[in-house]
Amino acid sequence: AQSVTQLDSQVPVFEEAPVELRCNYSSSVSVYLFWYVQYPNQGLQLLLKYLSGSTLVKGINGFEAEFNKSQTSFHLRKPSVHISDTAEYFCAVSVYNTDKLIFGTGTRLQVFP
Amino acid sequence: DTGVSQNPRHKITKRGQNVTFRCDPISEHNRLYWYRQTLGQGPEFLTYFQNEAQLEKSRLLSDRFSAERPKGSFSTLEIQRTEQGDSAMYLCASSTRQVDTDTQYFGPGTRLTVL
Repeated sequence: AQSVTQLDSQVPVFEEAPVELRCNYSSSVSVYLFWYVQYPNQGLQLLLKYLSGSTLVKGINGFEAEFNKSQTSFHLRKPSVHISDTAEYFCAVSVYNTDKLIFGTGTRLQVFP
Repeated sequence: DTGVSQNPRHKITKRGQNVTFRCDPISEHNRLYWYRQTLGQGPEFLTYFQNEAQLEKSRLLSDRFSAERPKGSFSTLEIQRTEQGDSAMYLCASSTRQVDTDTQYFGPGTRLTVL
């Protein structure tokens, strides 16, 4: 069975500071990896995904993530955050040929001025 | 708007009543998914369809829950004899099964409150 662990439930950070949101996964088979963002009262929006190829993945809004197979991690980073990045961020995995997403519990990023 | 739509956006009901939610996927998407999200948790998979066929159901989906996707277009999720524990956000997503895509696009959700 697959599982996703997001180690930080909340991450407070000042505007223009860098941020890293951590995600570790567990799976005995190959998986696809995703980061979704959920703004208040809105649905989930895809930030970026790793399917294969380069382990450094760039997404929307200046976010990027690096797939590390040996550490089974897929941490999300942004070099300089904005107030508008305040939201809930979810890491998810799917097993090839199933497409069912398994989500972590989420990390609330709060950006302060 | 060509995104995934869900109706209603909010539903308040009394315990024991039946409720039905609707999801309209992106038109060319043949896969449709239902998830449930409770407060402070990530979404949990409930079930999914490829065209009109329901291919997988989670153990979370008790016999009070039923989902349909007639004609492979919109889908409905019905909860019979609602319980307070059913209070949650119900999310619908759709995707198209193509190589190098596998992206699920989510709707805004239906928030259910059972009193």
